[in-house]
This record gives sequence, structure tokens and C-alpha cells, in this order.
Amino acid sequence: DAKTTQPPSMDCAEGRAANLPCNHSTISGNEYVYWYRQIHSQGPQYIIHGLKNNETNEMASLIITEDRKSSTLILPHATLRDTAVYYCIVRVSGTYKYIFGTGTRLKVLA
Amino acid sequence: NAGVTQTPKFQVLKTGQSMTLQCAQDMNHEYMSWYRQDPGMGLRLIHYSVGAGITDQGEVPNGYNVSRSTTEDFPLRLLSAAPSQTSVYFCASSNPAGTSGGRETQYFGPGTRLLVL
Repeated sequence: DAKTTQPPSMDCAEGRAANLPCNHSTISGNEYVYWYRQIHSQGPQYIIHGLKNNETNEMASLIITEDRKSSTLILPHATLRDTAVYYCIVRVSGTYKYIFGTGTRLKVLA
Repeated sequence: NAGVTQTPKFQVLKTGQSMTLQCAQDMNHEYMSWYRQDPGMGLRLIHYSVGAGITDQGEVPNGYNVSRSTTEDFPLRLLSAAPSQTSVYFCASSNPAGTSGGRETQYFGPGTRLLVL
């Protein structure tokens, strides 16, 4: 099963771009990469997902490497409210099993 | 829409007791799942369901039972609570676009905090 690895923590200055990396070197060809975040102890919130191409929505951008072994979530202008734990997730191909990584705790500094 | 609701918000059990964590969604989602989150850890999948009458095991199913008699409800049963089951339990739902992956978004409930003494 594909798994993900992320750095445990990162800091980012308010107003700057936050770049959160994720390694998913064992991902198979038709597995999507999903990003969620968890603020305090609330339920996780969906951010974005992608397969091969880079994706952008109102919250973030997702850059996936050509070999699909890693990706980067970009919050273009981080605010204090973006302080959260960010999870990079893959769904095991052919199943509905979502594998959460350990997440990156992002702290946005004023 | 209320989204995904979970009850109770907090529960204390003694070892060996049984209980049911309730989860309901009003979005007519086919897919529902249960996760547990231990302190400082990510979420781990316990059980999931792709529709009424269909359930399957996730990563950590031992000690838990589920059933899906309706689209709206997906209760999680602890058969004989153990201190190792102390955790925060999250329920989620989505409408999957097929097993090849797609545009589904999982909506999570607020969680149930369980303490087993």
C-alpha cells in the first residue's frame, strides 16, 4: 500500500508562501494524492487533490513531480488562521482505504 | 444541511464496557468511514462502508464492529472497551467517484473523545 512521509513541523512568516512537501514514492499510477488540514482538534478539512497535473483552487496549489513520487502543497499567502496540521493522503488503488501520513504541523508566525 | 454529526462528544468508559458511537450524515453520501486519532498521531482507518449493507475493514479494525442499515447512519460499536481504545474518533462521509479515485471530498464530523479507564 502506498504511504506518505512528511516533515513533522514547519514555520512560515505571515503573508509568505508556505510550501509543504510530501513523499509518496510507492504510489501507483492511478492513485490520487489528497491534502487535508486539521485545525486544533477539529475534524480534518479537505484542501485539494491531484493525480498527475498541477492543481489550483481557492485555497492552495498542488505541485506533483513528473515521476509522481512527491508533491508540494503551496499556500500562497499564509495567514495565522492557516496554522494547522496538514496531511498528505493517498487512497489505496482499487479500494476506499485512505492512508493518512503523520502530517506536518505548520505554524504561521506574525 | 447539518453535514456529519457525531454523538456523544465525550464519553468515559470502564474497561470491559461496551458502547456505540453514533454517526449520521444528511448529504446522501454513499461512502462513510470511521477513523481513530491517538494523541500526536495521524488518523487511522477503522472501518468503512460504500453503501447500505456493505462494510469493510480498514487498518485497525480489531475490537470494533460496524453496520450500515441506512445511507444516513454508520454506528461504531466497541464490544469490550480497553484502555488502548482511548482516542478521538472521527466519522467521515463522501460520494466517491469510483474506485479509481476522483473528485470525492471527505467531510469529517467533529469527533468523539473516548476515555477508557
